[in-house]
Amino acid sequence: AQSVAQPEDQVNVAEGNPLTVKCTYSVSGNPYLFWYVQYPNRGLQFLLKYITGDNLVKGSYGFEAEFNKSQTSFHLKKPSALVSDSALYFCAVRDPSSGTASKLTFGTGTRLQVTL
Amino acid sequence: DSGVTQTPKHLITATGQRVTLRCSPRSGDLSVYWYQQSLDQGLQFLIQYYNGEERAKGNILERFSAQQFPDLHSELNLSSLELGDSALYFCASSVGGIQETQYFGPGTRLLVL
Repeated sequence: AQSVAQPEDQVNVAEGNPLTVKCTYSVSGNPYLFWYVQYPNRGLQFLLKYITGDNLVKGSYGFEAEFNKSQTSFHLKKPSALVSDSALYFCAVRDPSSGTASKLTFGTGTRLQVTL
Repeated sequence: DSGVTQTPKHLITATGQRVTLRCSPRSGDLSVYWYQQSLDQGLQFLIQYYNGEERAKGNILERFSAQQFPDLHSELNLSSLELGDSALYFCASSVGGIQETQYFGPGTRLLVL
């Protein structure tokens, strides 16, 4: 069975500093990995995904994520945080061996708080 | 705006009642997914439809059912509601391929009193 772990409930960072939101996964084969962001009273917005290829994936709003197969991690990063980045971030995995049943399994979410 | 629409935005009802949540996918998307977000369970996959047919089932209760219509919109029916069914229900859609991104609607917030 596939699973995702987000070990930090909350990450605090000062505006202008780099941020990292951690994610590790467990899946039987090569994973498809996703990051979504949820702002208050809003739906989930897609940020980026890793399917194959370059381990460094660039996404929306200046975010990027690095896929590390040996550490089974897919950490979300941004070089310079903004107050407006404060939100709830979800990592998700899809097992390619699941065929056309392409459900996403989500982590528990990490709340990012960026302060001035 | 993801292009996925959900109605209603909010729903307040009583225990034992039945409600229907509606989802319209993005233009061209054939797959619809339903997820439940609650404080104790997190984000959980409920069910997937592809072009009108059920494709995958997750942690969906027997009191819950869904369908996808020929125009590709989907409805999630929740019956014999319990207090614990209070949650945010999301619909997502994708073209249908396994590598495709799922785009989420704004959700329906259900409160069962």
